[in-house]
Amino acid sequence: EAGVTQFPSHSVIEKGQTVTLRCDPISGHDNLYWYRRVMGKEIKFLLHFVKESKQDESGMPNNRFLAERTGGTYSTLKVQPAELEDSGVYFCASSQEGNPTYEQYFGPGTRLTVT
Amino acid sequence: AQSVTQLGSHVSVSEGALVLLRCNYSSSVPPYLFWYVQYPNQGLQLLLKYTSAATLVKGINGFEAEFKKSETSFHLTKPSAHMSDAAEYFCAVRKAAGNKLTFGGGTRVLVKP
Repeated sequence: EAGVTQFPSHSVIEKGQTVTLRCDPISGHDNLYWYRRVMGKEIKFLLHFVKESKQDESGMPNNRFLAERTGGTYSTLKVQPAELEDSGVYFCASSQEGNPTYEQYFGPGTRLTVT
Repeated sequence: AQSVTQLGSHVSVSEGALVLLRCNYSSSVPPYLFWYVQYPNQGLQLLLKYTSAATLVKGINGFEAEFKKSETSFHLTKPSAHMSDAAEYFCAVRKAAGNKLTFGGGTRVLVKP
């Protein structure tokens, strides 16, 4: 069974440009999460989808970030326009159920560098 | 609001020595607790989790952790370090009624031969 995949693995863009990150969860997982780790700090929650609906987007930093999950399968996270402070590693995770005891499976992350 | 504190951002141990990674949490209700490991160029992998059953939890690769409510701690241990244990370790907490994970800052483990 394939794990959580993320694309691209690395992205280097200039300030002001747009970047779209993609996450493919494990097949059958209705719950999809985005997290971010900035500059070696702690990993922080961004948002949570249940199928195509946003269950919790309390961690989204500002309106330059837009997450979608059309059809309840893969998800995209768009940053527009990118700022220097957006640099970091963006992780996606998925879980089969929303029950807190269910494991969240993480992808390898996308390393975003904004110059 | 929940928070997780990992004491020590870097830990160096000798091969064969005890590995002890400290994690303390603050939570108004008993949470679910997790330890994840990240090897280079890989995603986070679950080592073990505490979900209100046994307070001593055994995980993969010989790791275990003990939930101590009185100390609000969930320290991770392994009796004998192996070179393959070199990685970054994250403690995380999840509220019973919530879904998001709240992470500590991570501890990078270096294993010396």
